[in-house]
Amino acid sequence: EDQVTQSPEALRLQEGESSSLNCSYTVSGLRGLFWYRQDPGKGPEFLFTLYSAGEEKEKERLKATLTKKESFLHITAPKPEDSATYLCAVQKGGSEKLVFGKGTKLTVNP
Amino acid sequence: DSGVTQTPKHLITATGQRVTLRCSPRSGDLSVYWYQQSLDQGLQFLIQYYNGEERAKGNILERFSAQQFPDLHSELNLSSLELGDSALYFCASSQQQTSTDTQYFGPGTRLTVL
Repeated sequence: EDQVTQSPEALRLQEGESSSLNCSYTVSGLRGLFWYRQDPGKGPEFLFTLYSAGEEKEKERLKATLTKKESFLHITAPKPEDSATYLCAVQKGGSEKLVFGKGTKLTVNP
Repeated sequence: DSGVTQTPKHLITATGQRVTLRCSPRSGDLSVYWYQQSLDQGLQFLIQYYNGEERAKGNILERFSAQQFPDLHSELNLSSLELGDSALYFCASSQQQTSTDTQYFGPGTRLTVL
C-alpha cells in the first residue's frame, strides 16, 4: 500500500533559523511527488512537483529535493509568513490520485 | 487564488440529512477530484471525474456520490449524514493533458454535522 510519512509533525523556528522538513514515501512506480502549503481553513496551495531522484526545485526561501525514498523541503531564513502546514503527496504511475502525508505544521516566530 | 471555486464555504446540518457540495474547476481543466480532510485522517482521496466520466474511486462511502456535468462543474452528494462526516471537503482540478498533472485545490467546504 502506498504510504507517505512526514516528520516532524510540528516544528517551531525563530525567524531566520533554517531547517528541513522530511517526507518519506513508499510507492510502486513513482510518477511525481508534490509539495503543498496549507494555511488554516484554506485549500492546499501548490508549491513543487518532483519527478525523479536527484531533482531539485526552488522558490524564494524554499527548496525541495528528492531521493528514491524521501523528499526534503528546505526552508532558508524563514519569515513568520512562512508559518503554515506543509503537505507532501505522491502520485503513482497509472493513477492521478494523490496520497498525502499528514503534514508538518511549521511556526516561525518573529 | 487557484481558480477553483467551491460552494458553499460552510454547511451545518443534522444527522440523517443530505447535502450537496459544488465545485467549478479552473478554466480548461477536464479533471475534477474530491478529497476529504479530517483532523485524524488527513487528506483522503474520494473520487475523480474526467470530462464527465468517473475515472477513479478512493475511500468513498456508499452514502456519498458525485457527478460531473457537461459544463465540467462537479457536485458531491452526501446522504444519511453521520457525526463522523464532519470534515473539510476539497475539490481539485487538473488539465490532465500531459504527464505533468498538477492538481489545484479550491478553498473547501467545511461540513459540520450536529
